[in-house]
Amino acid sequence: DTGVTQSPTHLIKTRGQQVTLRCSPISGHKSVSWYQQVLGQGPQFIFQYYEKEERGRGNFPDRFSARQFPNYSSELNVNALLLGDSALYLCASSHQTVQETQYFGPGTRLLVL
Amino acid sequence: RKEVEQDPGPFNVPEGATVAFNCTYSNSASQSFFWYRQDCRKEPKLLMSVYSSGNEDGRFTAQLNRASQYISLLIRDSKLSDSATYLCVVNNYAGGGNKLTFGTGTQLKVEL
Repeated sequence: DTGVTQSPTHLIKTRGQQVTLRCSPISGHKSVSWYQQVLGQGPQFIFQYYEKEERGRGNFPDRFSARQFPNYSSELNVNALLLGDSALYLCASSHQTVQETQYFGPGTRLLVL
Repeated sequence: RKEVEQDPGPFNVPEGATVAFNCTYSNSASQSFFWYRQDCRKEPKLLMSVYSSGNEDGRFTAQLNRASQYISLLIRDSKLSDSATYLCVVNNYAGGGNKLTFGTGTQLKVEL
């Protein structure tokens, strides 16, 4: 079975630019969640999507947005990048939303210069 | 106060030692609990779920005390390969979705 996949693996952007990160869940999983992990901290919840609908949103500014496609893949968009957005962005998938283990992809490392 | 608090360590222990990690959480309505393991520059991987009755998986034992809002992980007979960061995770259901809240992680280094 293929696990959660994310692209790109690494990305370098400059302040003010926009970035789109992509995630494909485990086959059969309908829920995708996004997390931001800054160095030295645990992952922080950004969004959860299930069946293309947003089911949860963390404490992140409106510069962060996401969507889920009919094939359950997902994109995370970050506009007007700040230096503080430099982090590992993790995608996790689960079969449904509640009482389900989330499985993480390898992440996208974003560096904002 | 952070929602999930852990001692960041590092815990440096010799091979074969027993080591215990503790974690506290602030939201008494939290529904489920986990320990994830994260290797350097890798994604978190589920180590085990945590139940009030306690659960064991080989050398690993996890325990939940809902009254004290306290979660523990015990590793017996530590191996070099156990060196990693251990993340305490609390799951809250809201609005039809899951929200995992992570602690900062406790770093374990097992030495020869």
